[in-house]
Amino acid sequence: EAQVTQNPRYLITVTGKKLTVTCSQNMNHEYMSWYRQDPGLGLRQIYYSMNVEVTDKGDVPEGYKVSRKEKRNFPLILESPSPNQTSLYFCASSLSITGRGYTFGSGTRLTVV
Amino acid sequence: QKEVEQNSGPLSVPEGAIASLNCTYSDRVSQSFFWYRQYSGKSPELIMSIYSNGDKEDGRFTAQLNKASQYVSLLIRDSQPSDSATYLCAVNILTGGGNKLTFGTGTQLKVEL
Repeated sequence: EAQVTQNPRYLITVTGKKLTVTCSQNMNHEYMSWYRQDPGLGLRQIYYSMNVEVTDKGDVPEGYKVSRKEKRNFPLILESPSPNQTSLYFCASSLSITGRGYTFGSGTRLTVV
Repeated sequence: QKEVEQNSGPLSVPEGAIASLNCTYSDRVSQSFFWYRQYSGKSPELIMSIYSNGDKEDGRFTAQLNKASQYVSLLIRDSQPSDSATYLCAVNILTGGGNKLTFGTGTQLKVEL
């Protein structure tokens, strides 16, 4: 089954404790992206990657890191999480940056206390 | 001006009626337009894509695009309670960094019995 897999689904952590949210896709998509979704603000792009070893900042990159060492994986790293990073996070992948075939993962609800 | 604008709603329609959801965008050269449905706490799901002016029909859904007016809409015929969700408009926007899929904040639709 074609899918984007995110883990974990739910995560509660404390301020300053490094964490990684994993994302993997099995569709051989070149383009992958991370979003956060907050009430009233919609989906905001954090980082995106157009291919292996090619990443770039989205609209809200502060406090986040990503890497793209393999085509299928695109982890999101929070080196020192803060409460304002409490949000619902989605990973997505597509055939191209134009948005065709855009598929979202199931989401990760992160709470930083 | 926001790049992609939607009325947040809620839009309430009776069961069996036509629901009309609207979206405007700022970039005149946008070529790709998408409608996603998102149930509460779930990931967005692509329901329609449209790339040229006019109407595109798929079952009970019709997407309408007017590039001259920078306007895209989604009509849902014979609305059902299961259609109650938030509908996200997404537009491929050309930015300084290249193409980017940009989402509106979504319109909440409530279909009442």
